[in-house]
Amino acid sequence: KNQVEQSPQSLIILEGKNCTLQCNYTVSPFSNLRWYKQDTGRGPVSLTIMTFSENTKSNGRYTATLDADTKQSSLHITASQLSDSASYICVVMRGAGSYQLTFGKGTKLSVIP
Amino acid sequence: DAGITQSPRHKVTETGTPVTLRCHQTENHRYMYWYRQDPGHGLRLIHYSYGVKDTDKGEVSDGYSVSRSKTEDFLLTLESATSSQTSVYFCAISDSGTAGGELFFGEGSRLTVL
Repeated sequence: KNQVEQSPQSLIILEGKNCTLQCNYTVSPFSNLRWYKQDTGRGPVSLTIMTFSENTKSNGRYTATLDADTKQSSLHITASQLSDSASYICVVMRGAGSYQLTFGKGTKLSVIP
Repeated sequence: DAGITQSPRHKVTETGTPVTLRCHQTENHRYMYWYRQDPGHGLRLIHYSYGVKDTDKGEVSDGYSVSRSKTEDFLLTLESATSSQTSVYFCAISDSGTAGGELFFGEGSRLTVL
């Protein structure tokens, strides 16, 4: 069964600190992995898209890593800001012409002063 | 921001009544999607469209129908709403149905069925 598991479910960090969110998946065959940020009451917004050949991809203070061999990804947030408080959703696209997306349940991040 | 407008943004209705949610885009993207988001679940695909009058079912399509008579509009209809359809509904658009297609989401429509 194609699944995407994220950990932790929720996380509280102090402003200015770094954090890492985890994503494990069983989706096969693999096409790409995406990270989205969803602010409360808003729609998800794309942060990164990573294909099989990409190990690391950055978007400002957000850095995503991908290990396609172990089927794991992480999202590292550097020097957190209050505006980083949101849910972060890992999404994996199935390949082989399917293009089906499987969404994780998200990690809820709270950044406090 | 991608030009996606969902309406209504909030709706409260009673069990058994019909409900239509509208998604309007100004990006001229070919692909449009309806998802629902519920606590304890990832976003789940209800229906999608790959062109005018071309639609297909997603993983949770029971109780829902869709229509797309124009490129810019994608309607989601609940013929007879049930409490299990209380959810937040997101419309998304993409210019490609293949691997590289970026997905842009609307702001969501919160539906409560009493």
